[in-house]
Amino acid sequence: DARVTQTPRDKVTEMGQEVTMRCQPILGHNTVFWYRQTMMQGLELLAYFRNRAPLDDSGMPKDRFSAEMPDATLATLKIQPSEPRDSAVYFCASGLVGQTQYFGPGTRLTVL
Amino acid sequence: AQTVTQSQPEMSVQEAETVTLSCTYDTSESNYYLFWYKQPPSRQMILVIRQEAYKQQNATENRFSVNFQKAAKSFSLKISDSQLGDTAMYFCASSFGNEKLTFGTGTRLTIIP
Repeated sequence: DARVTQTPRDKVTEMGQEVTMRCQPILGHNTVFWYRQTMMQGLELLAYFRNRAPLDDSGMPKDRFSAEMPDATLATLKIQPSEPRDSAVYFCASGLVGQTQYFGPGTRLTVL
Repeated sequence: AQTVTQSQPEMSVQEAETVTLSCTYDTSESNYYLFWYKQPPSRQMILVIRQEAYKQQNATENRFSVNFQKAAKSFSLKISDSQLGDTAMYFCASSFGNEKLTFGTGTRLTIIP
């Protein structure tokens, strides 16, 4: 049963610290998405990749957020420095071009 | 702007009854996909059902079916014979002519024993 995996599942950190979230997409999927879910904003797209190349990161605060795909089996989302307003659940999803996106279990980030 | 609207923040229904969740959207695109995702308390986003806009036939998946009205830009989800495990947030979403999903604000559904 192929699944998207994300680590860590939960992360508590202090303001100013660097946070790295990792995602392993489903093997064979060539498109990877990062979403953020908050009570106020709901679910919003931060960035996405096709064949490891970034296609759109317009939803991401550029000054502190960065997203990469070092290889086809790993996507990372980094926040440096973290702020309390970054507290949210971060989802990774993967899929094939034009097909359904399958979501990971999410990383719940709390920045104190 | 392309939007997805869910006007029912919360709903509840007795176990075994049928419930319909509403979703409307706005787009000028002619080719797009519509989805319903379920998010139980575990927070996992689970695909419930998917509809291609070019297909007139309504999608069905076991107890879940949609009523897709393209001209009215409406995409409702019907859950038949509701079960306790259906308790969750339900999100309507669309990829309007591209791959980026736009989500509605969600409907919290509670199944009452």
